[in-house]
Amino acid sequence: DVKVTQSSRYLVKRTGEKVFLECVQDMDHENMFWYRQDPGLGLRLIYFSYDVKMKEKGDIPEGYSVSREKKERFSLILESASTNQTSMYLCASRSRLAGGTYTDTQYFGPGTRLTVL
Amino acid sequence: QKEVEQNSGPLSVPEGAIASLNCTYSDRVSQSFFWYRQYSGKSPELIMSIYSNGDKEDGRFTAQLNKASQYVSLLIRDSQPSDSATYLCAAPLTDSWGKLQFGAGTQVVVTP
Repeated sequence: DVKVTQSSRYLVKRTGEKVFLECVQDMDHENMFWYRQDPGLGLRLIYFSYDVKMKEKGDIPEGYSVSREKKERFSLILESASTNQTSMYLCASRSRLAGGTYTDTQYFGPGTRLTVL
Repeated sequence: QKEVEQNSGPLSVPEGAIASLNCTYSDRVSQSFFWYRQYSGKSPELIMSIYSNGDKEDGRFTAQLNKASQYVSLLIRDSQPSDSATYLCAAPLTDSWGKLQFGAGTQVVVTP
């Protein structure tokens, strides 16, 4: 059974703090993703990692960075948290088939609801 | 035109009836489609995927793909209150590394 876990379900931080959101998958998936979801705006991709130490910017990378030192773990970093980063953060992972194609099926973690005061 | 479009709803459905959700897509997405269900405050959960023209059934859910008309739909038969959720349609973009493009979601409310 696929499993993606996130370090916290709820998190409250203060403006200016450095925030780490952790995501771990146990499916040996190559690709991992960080999204944020806001009412009326839907799911928006922040960063994508297609393999260890590889990353690509998504649609809204400003104010965020990522780290992927091990295959199973993908971290999202808010360098200096701001109130407009209050949101639901969702991590997802996806397998890559032999030959470089993708299953395209993304599996999501439970989400972290971050509030920045 | 957005790559993937859905009506936001809410779609109100009496218990036991069929809920019909639609999703249209542009030429910028590839021909594999996914339906996710998302309960309030929870993360999206994959319920159906469809790759070929026609119907695909899984329990009370049926996905329908019409490539000529560029739409994909999801039918929920015998709707239950537990089906009340937001349903997201998604498809990978063709000119990327398979970035999944999500629709805004359709909220379904099943009334007893």
